[in-house]
Amino acid sequence: RKEVEQDPGPFNVPEGATVAFNCTYSNSASQSFFWYRQDCRKEPKLLMSVYSSGNEDGRFTAQLNRASQYISLLIRDSKLSDSATYLCVASGGGADGLTFGKGTHLIIQP
Amino acid sequence: GAGVSQSPSNKVTEKGKDVELRCDPISGHTALYWYRQSLGQGLEFLIYFQGNSAPDKSGLPSDRFSAERTGGSVSTLTIQRTQQEDSAVYLCASSLYRSPYEQYFGPGTRLTVT
Repeated sequence: RKEVEQDPGPFNVPEGATVAFNCTYSNSASQSFFWYRQDCRKEPKLLMSVYSSGNEDGRFTAQLNRASQYISLLIRDSKLSDSATYLCVASGGGADGLTFGKGTHLIIQP
Repeated sequence: GAGVSQSPSNKVTEKGKDVELRCDPISGHTALYWYRQSLGQGLEFLIYFQGNSAPDKSGLPSDRFSAERTGGSVSTLTIQRTQQEDSAVYLCASSLYRSPYEQYFGPGTRLTVT
């Protein structure tokens, strides 16, 4: 099975700082990529899709590097409410069509 | 509009009993997925449906697990003769079509086998 790898963290970051984390994917045929956010004891929720040209949504910026097969997520001016686990997702590689990473745990500290 | 719903939200059962978990996908979504997530772990894919068909059942952990979907809508995941290692959160998701479309998750059913 094709894999998506993430640093599990936790990343401890002071409020207001900028934080970035990457994930790598092994399936070179993957065409679509997403970032999901999962709060403690809650279901994953779509944060943003990742487009080839990179995309921004408010304080969040996602980038795709096909040559190196990694995806990044940048969070600017981090808020306490950004504390969560961030799941990296790539298409293909399994019967479900999407392969989920195990997540990066982010803790924003006051 | 309404999101994915799952029932029950919590289920406590005795080892050896059968349980049924229900998922109502977003209306119009043709693809439906079941995952399970143990405490502190990632998502474990179980099975997906395209319409009423499940092309690949290889993700089901054992033959005690089965799933069906009727009318291209509601799905039921059944676990027979539950074991303690079946304790987990069972998540259902749906998407407009199968990958690469983004999936929308339900709140999950927290299953505890005593």
